[in-house]
Amino acid sequence: GDSVTQMEGPVTLSEEAFLTINCTYTATGYPSLFWYVQYPGEGLQLLLKATKADDKGSNKGFEATYRKETTSFHLEKGSVQVSDSAVYFCALSDPGAGSYQLTFGKGTKLSVIP
Amino acid sequence: GAVVSQHPSRVICKSGTSVKIECRSLDFQATTMFWYRQFPKQSLMLMATSNEGSKATYEQGVEKDKFLINHASLTLSTLTVTSAHPEDSSFYICSAKQGTGNTEAFFGQGTRLTVV
Repeated sequence: GDSVTQMEGPVTLSEEAFLTINCTYTATGYPSLFWYVQYPGEGLQLLLKATKADDKGSNKGFEATYRKETTSFHLEKGSVQVSDSAVYFCALSDPGAGSYQLTFGKGTKLSVIP
Repeated sequence: GAVVSQHPSRVICKSGTSVKIECRSLDFQATTMFWYRQFPKQSLMLMATSNEGSKATYEQGVEKDKFLINHASLTLSTLTVTSAHPEDSSFYICSAKQGTGNTEAFFGQGTRLTVV
């Protein structure tokens, strides 16, 4: 079945540091890939997405590139802020699996300190 | 993006009682709604998928008699936790999508259920 593996947290960075959160996936078809962010006490918000190979999703300074050859969708940001502290989830939606539900990774908690 | 409203955001109930959680799509018709449960320090686990007007499809290991899902209209789905126990305490999140196919799903704010 489909699965998403993302790096274990928690991750603690100083403000303005570079961020990478690794994400790899397995899927039966040609999935769409997503990063969701969950701020404390809130639901999930879509951060960015990519729907086909080599697409780059970007939003709020975050970027991720759909790499089919390495089945990866790593999240990056050049300079993190305290307000980026949250839990980040990598996810996929695989039409080849016969449905369009999302499969999530376990989430990576990011804490940014001043 | 589209708005999905989930209510209540927090609820505390006594063991043995039932709790209903509502999920509404405010500005679109939600053909499909999903219910997830999030354990502490874990990812979201899909509990069930519901299509408007038909019975929900539950994931393996989820008791359908305990977690009753109703999707009677294109803008509302409800999850009722029946005879709640402390182990049902969790964060429940719904999501909704419009149409069939690979369209984006939008998430509610989540409901923190505490059973005492």
